Amino acid sequence: AQTVTQSQPEMSVQEAETVTLSCTYDTSESNYYLFWYKQPPSRQMILVIRQEAYKQQNATENRFSVNFQKAAKSFSLKISDSQLGDTAMYFCACYGGATNKLIFGTGTLLAVQP
Amino acid sequence: DGGITQSPKYLFRKEGQNVTLSCEQNLNHDAMYWYRQDPGQGLRLIYYSQIVNDFQKGDIAEGYSVSREKKESFPLTVTSAQKNPTAFYLCASSIRRDRGYRADNEQFFGPGTRLTVL
Repeated sequence: AQTVTQSQPEMSVQEAETVTLSCTYDTSESNYYLFWYKQPPSRQMILVIRQEAYKQQNATENRFSVNFQKAAKSFSLKISDSQLGDTAMYFCACYGGATNKLIFGTGTLLAVQP
Repeated sequence: DGGITQSPKYLFRKEGQNVTLSCEQNLNHDAMYWYRQDPGQGLRLIYYSQIVNDFQKGDIAEGYSVSREKKESFPLTVTSAQKNPTAFYLCASSIRRDRGYRADNEQFFGPGTRLTVL
């Protein structure tokens, strides 16, 4: 079975600063993918970034980057130069090819303060 | 514009009534999913369908039913057997794992339906 754990229910950051959201996961599969989704107050789920487990290089998307530590089963999200529009719930998720299911963590509510 | 639509945005139901939530996509995706979101619990999978006329139970299927008669549509019925139906419901779709280049099963989400039982 796959599990995803987000241990930070809420976080706060000042505008223009950097913040890191934590995520750990557990899976028995060798072929899996990791995602960070953002859910703003509109509640629309938006994909922020993805990481293929077979790739050692950490994924980056503009101000968003991940620190993927495969041995530790850790997948943190770093947001640089935080903007007010980054205020949202962030969900970490793991997809396993054998189970064909996307398992979500419980989310971290990020508030960007002006 | 391609995307996923869910209707209605807000839905109120009396106890003991069945209610159907609509989900339509024009992304030509084979796979579709229904999730339930409760505060502090993230998203939990109710049902999913990889192809027309076929669907599987997710982790919390009790009290729910689905159909997949058309590729574009995956309606969810919340039956009176669902003991605590008040929640936010999200529909998603993806290319089937064995097709296309998106083997990572990226899922695209609709805007959601908020169901409240009165």
